[in-house]
Amino acid sequence: DTGVSQDPRHKITKRGQNVTFRCDPISEHNRLYWYRQTLGQGPEFLTYFQNEAQLEKSRLLSDRFSAERPKGSFSTLEIQRTEQGDSAMYLCASSYNEQFFGPGTRLTVL
Amino acid sequence: AQTVTQSQPEMSVQEAETVTLSCTYDTSESDYYLFWYKQPPSRQMILVIRQEAYKQQNATENRFSVNFQKAAKSFSLKISDSQLGDAAMYFCAYRSGMGGADGLTFGKGTHLIIQP
Repeated sequence: DTGVSQDPRHKITKRGQNVTFRCDPISEHNRLYWYRQTLGQGPEFLTYFQNEAQLEKSRLLSDRFSAERPKGSFSTLEIQRTEQGDSAMYLCASSYNEQFFGPGTRLTVL
Repeated sequence: AQTVTQSQPEMSVQEAETVTLSCTYDTSESDYYLFWYKQPPSRQMILVIRQEAYKQQNATENRFSVNFQKAAKSFSLKISDSQLGDAAMYFCAYRSGMGGADGLTFGKGTHLIIQP
């Protein structure tokens, strides 16, 4: 296992389109997290799963955002009706104790 | 809500010298964890060191050590014998020890420059 992976690494979309990102955690990790990082800022927590249960959601997670982890393994983060303000790096992390981060998906909304 | 403050947007140090990065935090909780993460340019976030709030002893990992002052809510990172590979953004992060509140709260980061 080489760590947390995310796909795609880069996504360019037009305003109003829907996008979906995937995260594959480290296999033995039961917890999975999504963060958003804008330029010059630290990551901001969005949501987290323990196995397939979504246990915590930030107020940053508007109703246009939805995350799933259907079988307690990989997770998807979907953004509907994207806005230019959604442009950011979306980071996934998984943990058993400490959180290990993936390389991120850089979203650009034109 | 917890907050994490890193007051140094950028620090510069000569190779082989020692540098200290500052971090303060605000919380009303007694049980929590603190972390320093490193984010090299265009590369993923790496955990550098962690500290449990209930432990009085400062954590150490090779050339990296922390100065944890619980009463002052301060958590600084000392990097000894700085190397070129230490150049990166460094983020201080907080995690609650309460069950169900597992997300990390990060500071804005300090950009560390290593001068050869």
